[in-house]
Amino acid sequence: SQQGEEDPQALSIQEGENATMNCSYKTSINNLQWYRQNSGRGLVHLILIRSNEREKHSGRLRVTLDTSKKSSSLLITASRAADTASYFCATVGRGSTLGRLYFGRGTQLTVWP
Amino acid sequence: EPEVTQTPSHQVTQMGQEVILRCVPISNHLYFYWYRQILGQKVEFLVSFYNNEISEKSEIFDDQFSVERPDGSNFTLKIRSTKLEDSAMYFCASSRDRVETQYFGPGTRLLVL
Repeated sequence: SQQGEEDPQALSIQEGENATMNCSYKTSINNLQWYRQNSGRGLVHLILIRSNEREKHSGRLRVTLDTSKKSSSLLITASRAADTASYFCATVGRGSTLGRLYFGRGTQLTVWP
Repeated sequence: EPEVTQTPSHQVTQMGQEVILRCVPISNHLYFYWYRQILGQKVEFLVSFYNNEISEKSEIFDDQFSVERPDGSNFTLKIRSTKLEDSAMYFCASSRDRVETQYFGPGTRLLVL
């Protein structure tokens, strides 16, 4: 299976702290995307990182990718209560499954005010 | 900013009935997708669509499912004879290219009774 798997399953922190979520996958990828989902709502795209990239930033978000370890991490700095959500990594494979996203189970982040 | 829209937001139907879920992808996107998320589970790929034909489908996408782009803007998912296990959140997504960001709609919550 190609699915990404996030770690930890749940993370609870105070406002202002940093939150780090990890994702591991099993096969070669074209890119890896991180999404956020508020409870019962749609998926909001956060960052796409390609297989030839090692790090990307977007505002308070920092994503790293280590293709040798088949892993990625999402760092949210100076977290806010509004960051409370589920965070998913999703991979786009190579070859015949190009375009199809494989999602992990997600990390449920709770940020306490 | 352009976004993917979906209607209806909620749909309740009786087992065995047909349902049509509607999506309006982002206007300059060429690739369209349907995913579903059963409560508490991963987001799962159903089908991708490009150039007016299915480019890939998962094992979930059996003969009960069909997709159509009836005009220049809408993209629909039809379930011919719904089953209890079809109850889920259905997400439409679109992208400019298979290896680009997939933008998701807010979802249609389908409940089959």
